[in-house]
Amino acid sequence: DAKTTQPPSMDCAEGRAANLPCNHSTISGNEYVYWYRQIHSQGPQYIIHGLKNNETNEMASLIITEDRKSSTLILPHATLRDTAVYYCIVRPQIYGQNFVFGPGTRLSVLP
Amino acid sequence: DTEVTQTPKHLVMGMTNKKSLKCEQHMGHRAMYWYKQKAKKPPELMFVYSYEKLSINESVPSRFSPECPNSSLLNLHLHALQPEDSALYLCASSQNDYQETQYFGPGTRLLVL
Repeated sequence: DAKTTQPPSMDCAEGRAANLPCNHSTISGNEYVYWYRQIHSQGPQYIIHGLKNNETNEMASLIITEDRKSSTLILPHATLRDTAVYYCIVRPQIYGQNFVFGPGTRLSVLP
Repeated sequence: DTEVTQTPKHLVMGMTNKKSLKCEQHMGHRAMYWYKQKAKKPPELMFVYSYEKLSINESVPSRFSPECPNSSLLNLHLHALQPEDSALYLCASSQNDYQETQYFGPGTRLLVL
Protein backbone atom coordinates (compact mmCIF):
# COMPACT_ATOMS: atom_id res chain seq x y z
CA ASP A 1 0.00 0.00 0.00
CA ALA A 2 1.05 3.56 -0.70
CA LYS A 3 2.34 5.36 2.40
CA THR A 4 1.18 8.78 1.27
CA THR A 5 -2.08 10.68 1.04
CA GLN A 6 -2.72 13.44 -1.46
CA PRO A 7 -5.81 15.44 -2.42
CA PRO A 8 -7.44 13.80 -5.44
CA SER A 9 -7.57 17.00 -7.46
CA MET A 10 -6.51 20.65 -7.48
CA ASP A 11 -6.88 23.63 -9.78
CA CYS A 12 -4.32 26.35 -10.36
CA ALA A 13 -4.43 29.50 -12.48
CA GLU A 14 -1.86 29.72 -15.24
CA GLY A 15 1.18 31.76 -14.17
CA ARG A 16 0.51 31.25 -10.47
CA ALA A 17 2.40 28.94 -8.15
CA ALA A 18 0.97 25.45 -7.75
CA ASN A 19 1.44 24.00 -4.25
CA LEU A 20 0.76 20.28 -4.08
CA PRO A 21 0.63 18.79 -0.58
CA CYS A 22 1.51 15.27 0.47
CA ASN A 23 1.04 13.63 3.84
CA HIS A 24 3.46 10.87 4.85
CA SER A 25 2.97 10.74 8.60
CA THR A 26 4.45 7.23 8.97
CA ILE A 27 7.67 8.00 7.11
CA SER A 28 10.81 6.38 8.47
CA GLY A 29 14.19 8.02 8.89
CA ASN A 30 15.69 6.31 5.87
CA GLU A 31 12.82 6.99 3.48
CA TYR A 32 13.13 9.51 0.70
CA VAL A 33 10.22 11.53 -0.70
CA TYR A 34 9.94 11.37 -4.48
CA TRP A 35 7.67 13.30 -6.80
CA TYR A 36 6.71 12.18 -10.28
CA ARG A 37 4.09 13.45 -12.68
CA GLN A 38 2.23 11.80 -15.51
CA ILE A 39 0.83 13.78 -18.34
CA HIS A 40 -2.10 12.06 -20.03
CA SER A 41 -1.13 8.70 -21.56
CA GLN A 42 2.61 9.31 -21.20
CA GLY A 43 5.12 7.63 -18.90
CA PRO A 44 5.70 9.10 -15.42
CA GLN A 45 8.28 11.88 -15.38
CA TYR A 46 10.70 12.33 -12.48
CA ILE A 47 10.45 15.77 -10.88
CA ILE A 48 12.45 15.89 -7.66
CA HIS A 49 13.27 14.00 -4.47
CA GLY A 50 14.59 14.73 -1.00
CA LEU A 51 15.31 13.26 2.41
CA LYS A 52 15.31 16.06 4.98
CA ASN A 53 16.34 19.31 3.39
CA ASN A 54 14.36 21.40 0.97
CA GLU A 55 15.36 20.83 -2.63
CA THR A 56 15.06 22.88 -5.80
CA ASN A 57 15.75 22.11 -9.43
CA GLU A 58 14.78 23.59 -12.77
CA MET A 59 11.30 22.07 -12.57
CA ALA A 60 10.16 22.54 -9.00
CA SER A 61 10.89 23.00 -5.32
CA LEU A 62 10.30 20.42 -2.61
CA ILE A 63 9.58 21.62 0.90
CA ILE A 64 9.74 18.94 3.62
CA THR A 65 8.50 19.79 7.10
CA GLU A 66 10.95 19.52 9.96
CA ASP A 67 9.20 16.43 11.37
CA ARG A 68 9.16 14.97 7.83
CA LYS A 69 5.50 14.01 8.13
CA SER A 70 4.46 16.07 5.15
CA SER A 71 5.86 17.81 2.11
CA THR A 72 4.82 20.27 -0.57
CA LEU A 73 5.79 20.30 -4.22
CA ILE A 74 5.88 23.82 -5.62
CA LEU A 75 5.68 24.62 -9.32
CA PRO A 76 6.58 28.32 -9.21
CA HIS A 77 4.84 29.48 -12.40
CA ALA A 78 2.37 26.88 -13.59
CA THR A 79 1.66 26.57 -17.30
CA LEU A 80 -1.03 24.65 -19.16
CA ARG A 81 1.58 21.97 -19.89
CA ASP A 82 1.86 21.27 -16.15
CA THR A 83 -1.63 19.76 -16.18
CA ALA A 84 -0.99 16.18 -15.06
CA VAL A 85 -1.36 13.65 -12.25
CA TYR A 86 1.28 14.26 -9.59
CA TYR A 87 2.47 11.33 -7.49
CA CYS A 88 4.18 11.62 -4.13
CA ILE A 89 6.05 8.44 -3.18
CA VAL A 90 8.12 7.50 -0.16
CA ARG A 91 10.82 4.90 -0.65
CA PRO A 92 13.35 3.49 1.79
CA GLN A 93 17.06 3.31 1.07
CA ILE A 94 17.03 -0.48 0.98
CA TYR A 95 17.76 -2.91 -1.82
CA GLY A 96 14.65 -4.42 -3.31
CA GLN A 97 12.25 -1.75 -2.11
CA ASN A 98 10.44 -0.20 -4.99
CA PHE A 99 8.08 2.61 -5.77
CA VAL A 100 4.48 2.15 -4.72
CA PHE A 101 2.33 4.69 -6.50
CA GLY A 102 -0.76 6.04 -4.78
CA PRO A 103 -3.68 7.63 -6.62
CA GLY A 104 -1.89 11.00 -6.87
CA THR A 105 -3.29 14.50 -7.33
CA ARG A 106 -4.80 15.53 -10.64
CA LEU A 107 -3.62 19.12 -11.17
CA SER A 108 -5.54 21.19 -13.69
CA VAL A 109 -3.88 24.44 -14.74
CA LEU A 110 -6.57 26.79 -15.95
CA PRO A 111 -6.07 29.65 -18.44
CA ASP B 1 20.36 11.68 -21.41
CA THR B 2 17.61 10.00 -19.40
CA GLU B 3 15.79 8.29 -22.24
CA VAL B 4 14.07 4.96 -22.04
CA THR B 5 12.53 3.81 -25.31
CA GLN B 6 9.70 1.34 -25.75
CA THR B 7 8.35 -0.39 -28.84
CA PRO B 8 5.76 -0.69 -30.13
CA LYS B 9 3.78 2.37 -29.04
CA HIS B 10 0.50 0.57 -29.61
CA LEU B 11 -0.34 -3.12 -29.91
CA VAL B 12 -3.58 -4.93 -30.64
CA MET B 13 -3.57 -8.69 -30.18
CA GLY B 14 -5.98 -11.56 -30.00
CA MET B 15 -6.18 -13.91 -27.05
CA THR B 16 -4.33 -16.65 -28.94
CA ASN B 17 -1.49 -14.45 -30.20
CA LYS B 18 2.10 -14.30 -28.99
CA LYS B 19 3.72 -10.89 -28.98
CA SER B 20 6.61 -9.11 -27.28
CA LEU B 21 7.16 -5.67 -25.85
CA LYS B 22 10.63 -4.20 -25.98
CA CYS B 23 12.38 -1.68 -23.76
CA GLU B 24 15.84 -0.19 -24.23
CA GLN B 25 18.08 2.21 -22.31
CA HIS B 26 21.64 3.33 -22.90
CA MET B 27 22.28 5.07 -19.60
CA GLY B 28 24.32 2.22 -18.14
CA HIS B 29 21.54 1.46 -15.68
CA ARG B 30 21.64 -1.98 -14.09
CA ALA B 31 18.06 -2.18 -12.83
CA MET B 32 15.06 -2.35 -15.13
CA TYR B 33 11.36 -2.59 -14.36
CA TRP B 34 8.01 -3.46 -15.91
CA TYR B 35 4.86 -1.73 -14.65
CA LYS B 36 1.24 -2.16 -15.67
CA GLN B 37 -1.18 0.76 -15.61
CA LYS B 38 -4.92 0.40 -16.07
CA ALA B 39 -6.99 3.40 -17.09
CA LYS B 40 -7.31 6.07 -14.38
CA LYS B 41 -5.18 4.00 -11.96
CA PRO B 42 -1.58 4.44 -10.80
CA PRO B 43 1.20 2.23 -12.21
CA GLU B 44 1.66 -1.15 -10.52
CA LEU B 45 4.99 -2.96 -10.41
CA MET B 46 5.19 -6.28 -12.25
CA PHE B 47 8.87 -7.28 -12.45
CA VAL B 48 12.30 -6.01 -11.44
CA TYR B 49 15.59 -7.05 -13.03
CA SER B 50 18.76 -6.22 -11.19
CA TYR B 51 22.07 -6.89 -12.97
CA GLU B 52 20.15 -8.91 -15.56
CA LYS B 53 18.65 -11.24 -12.98
CA LEU B 54 14.99 -11.30 -12.07
CA SER B 55 14.83 -10.02 -8.51
CA ILE B 56 11.14 -9.28 -8.03
CA ASN B 57 8.04 -10.89 -9.54
CA GLU B 58 4.92 -9.36 -8.06
CA SER B 59 2.80 -12.52 -8.46
CA VAL B 60 2.27 -11.84 -12.14
CA PRO B 61 0.45 -14.57 -14.15
CA SER B 62 2.69 -16.78 -16.26
CA ARG B 63 1.14 -15.48 -19.47
CA PHE B 64 3.55 -12.56 -18.93
CA SER B 65 7.16 -13.66 -19.32
CA PRO B 66 9.97 -11.14 -18.84
CA GLU B 67 13.43 -11.46 -20.32
CA CYS B 68 16.59 -9.40 -19.91
CA PRO B 69 18.97 -10.39 -22.73
CA ASN B 70 21.58 -7.81 -21.70
CA SER B 71 21.97 -4.80 -19.46
CA SER B 72 20.38 -2.43 -22.00
CA LEU B 73 17.38 -4.47 -23.09
CA LEU B 74 14.24 -5.69 -21.39
CA ASN B 75 11.50 -7.69 -23.09
CA LEU B 76 8.05 -8.71 -21.99
CA HIS B 77 6.70 -11.75 -23.83
CA LEU B 78 2.94 -12.03 -23.99
CA HIS B 79 0.97 -15.21 -24.64
CA ALA B 80 -2.68 -16.16 -24.24
CA LEU B 81 -3.62 -12.82 -22.74
CA GLN B 82 -7.10 -11.91 -21.59
CA PRO B 83 -9.07 -8.75 -22.41
CA GLU B 84 -8.54 -7.55 -18.83
CA ASP B 85 -4.80 -7.42 -19.57
CA SER B 86 -5.43 -4.42 -21.79
CA ALA B 87 -3.42 -1.59 -20.24
CA LEU B 88 -0.46 0.74 -20.62
CA TYR B 89 2.76 -1.19 -20.03
CA LEU B 90 5.57 0.95 -18.74
CA CYS B 91 9.27 0.21 -18.60
CA ALA B 92 11.66 2.03 -16.27
CA SER B 93 15.33 1.89 -15.40
CA SER B 94 17.56 3.09 -12.59
CA GLN B 95 21.26 3.06 -11.81
CA ASN B 96 20.64 0.11 -9.51
CA ASP B 97 17.75 -0.94 -7.31
CA TYR B 98 19.15 0.75 -4.21
CA GLN B 99 17.44 4.06 -3.66
CA GLU B 100 17.88 5.34 -7.16
CA THR B 101 15.64 7.51 -9.29
CA GLN B 102 13.67 5.52 -11.85
CA TYR B 103 13.28 6.88 -15.36
CA PHE B 104 10.24 5.77 -17.31
CA GLY B 105 9.64 5.12 -20.97
CA PRO B 106 6.54 6.36 -22.81
CA GLY B 107 4.80 3.01 -22.52
CA THR B 108 3.13 0.54 -24.86
CA ARG B 109 -0.64 0.72 -25.00
CA LEU B 110 -1.93 -2.84 -25.34
CA LEU B 111 -5.42 -3.86 -26.39
CA VAL B 112 -6.38 -7.52 -26.14
CA LEU B 113 -9.41 -8.53 -28.16
